[in-house]
Amino acid sequence: DVKVTQSSRYLVKRTGEKVFLECVQDMDHENMFWYRQDPGLGLRLIYFSYDVKMKEKGDIPEGYSVSREKKERFSLILESASTNQTSMYLCASSWTGTGEQYFGPGTRLTVT
Amino acid sequence: KNQVEQSPQSLIILEGKNCTLQCNYTVSPFSNLRWYKQDTGRGPVSLTIMTFSENTKSNGRYTATLDADTKQSSLHITASQLSDSASYICVVSAGNSGGSNYKLTFGKGTLLTVNP
Repeated sequence: DVKVTQSSRYLVKRTGEKVFLECVQDMDHENMFWYRQDPGLGLRLIYFSYDVKMKEKGDIPEGYSVSREKKERFSLILESASTNQTSMYLCASSWTGTGEQYFGPGTRLTVT
Repeated sequence: KNQVEQSPQSLIILEGKNCTLQCNYTVSPFSNLRWYKQDTGRGPVSLTIMTFSENTKSNGRYTATLDADTKQSSLHITASQLSDSASYICVVSAGNSGGSNYKLTFGKGTLLTVNP
């Protein structure tokens, strides 16, 4: 079974803090993704990576950065957390070809 | 602009009843369509995936249909169970599977509640 894990299920941070969200997949997938999910808005793509050290902006990259130093690990960084970044963050991974994305359990981030 | 519209936004049914969720899309060029189930507080899990040439795909009590001409898909749930309570998300992929397969357009989901 494909397994995508995220470092935390719940996280509470203060405004202005630097926040790291970690994602690890164990299926040697080329592609990895970070989404945020908000009520009424569905899933929105923040960033994705199609190879180690490669990244591309998604639909809402502002206020976020990412890092992919190893194939199995993809990190999302909030340089200076703000209250409007309170959300559910979902990581996903996929092979190139089938396109099917496998999701992690999500991290519910609250910024106060 | 690529879009995926789902209806209804929410649905309440009694355990044991059937239901059908709808998905209309304007995604071009079409590659494939997936239905995901997302339990509260969890990540989405794939139920079915259909390409242009497939018009029906089943996974247990879940049956998805695709009409590529009208750009519509439906997810039919038979003999619903309490564990079917979840959000169901329609996701359409644009491009060819070897290229921009990562360019997905997500619907906002249908929240299904199954009551005893």
